[in-house]
Amino acid sequence: SQTIHQWPATLVQPVGSPLSLECTVEGTSNPNLYWYRQAAGRGLQLLFYSVGIGQISSEVPQNLSASRPQDRQFILSSKKLLLSDSGFYLCAWSVGTLNTEAFFGQGTRLTVV
Amino acid sequence: QKEVEQNSGPLSVPEGAIASLNCTYSDRGSQSFFWYRQYSGKSPELIMSIYSNGDKEDGRFTAQLNKASQYVSLLIRDSQPSDSATYLCAVTLDSSYKLIFGSGTRLLVRP
Repeated sequence: SQTIHQWPATLVQPVGSPLSLECTVEGTSNPNLYWYRQAAGRGLQLLFYSVGIGQISSEVPQNLSASRPQDRQFILSSKKLLLSDSGFYLCAWSVGTLNTEAFFGQGTRLTVV
Repeated sequence: QKEVEQNSGPLSVPEGAIASLNCTYSDRGSQSFFWYRQYSGKSPELIMSIYSNGDKEDGRFTAQLNKASQYVSLLIRDSQPSDSATYLCAVTLDSSYKLIFGSGTRLLVRP
């Protein structure tokens, strides 16, 4: 069966510090991968999605970036965090075809102080 | 116009009642529609998917899709306090891998 791992679960970082969040998927090949952010009490905002190694689509201009160095690994990064980067970051995967449902990791709650 | 719209609620229903959650979407070419449930502080979990016009039933849940009206709904029969959560509607845009979520409707089931 497929599983998705996302870590860390919680993170407190100072303004201006770098960020690296990692997500890995097991039990499937060539998945679509997604990063979402959820501000407190709000919906899910799509940040990045990837349909293959090195293929990243960015949805929202911001100081975040994503990379997919391996087929089942998706990394979210920032060189300098802003207060507005605080939120619940969720990684998700779907089967590598169109129009399929996505499954989420446990999420990382990031607080920028 | 937002791509996927939901009433934020809260929708409050008594235990045992039917809860009706609604969602509209703007991309007429959308092909796939999903309902997720999210408990406070947790990640979303998939409840149902629907791809064709009409109704799809799974236990106490029924998803309804009307592509002409660009409308999808979720009915929860015999609502239980454990159903209290935020329900997120999600849509894949036409010929795209993008999965877009609405802002969610908070459901409260009163014992």
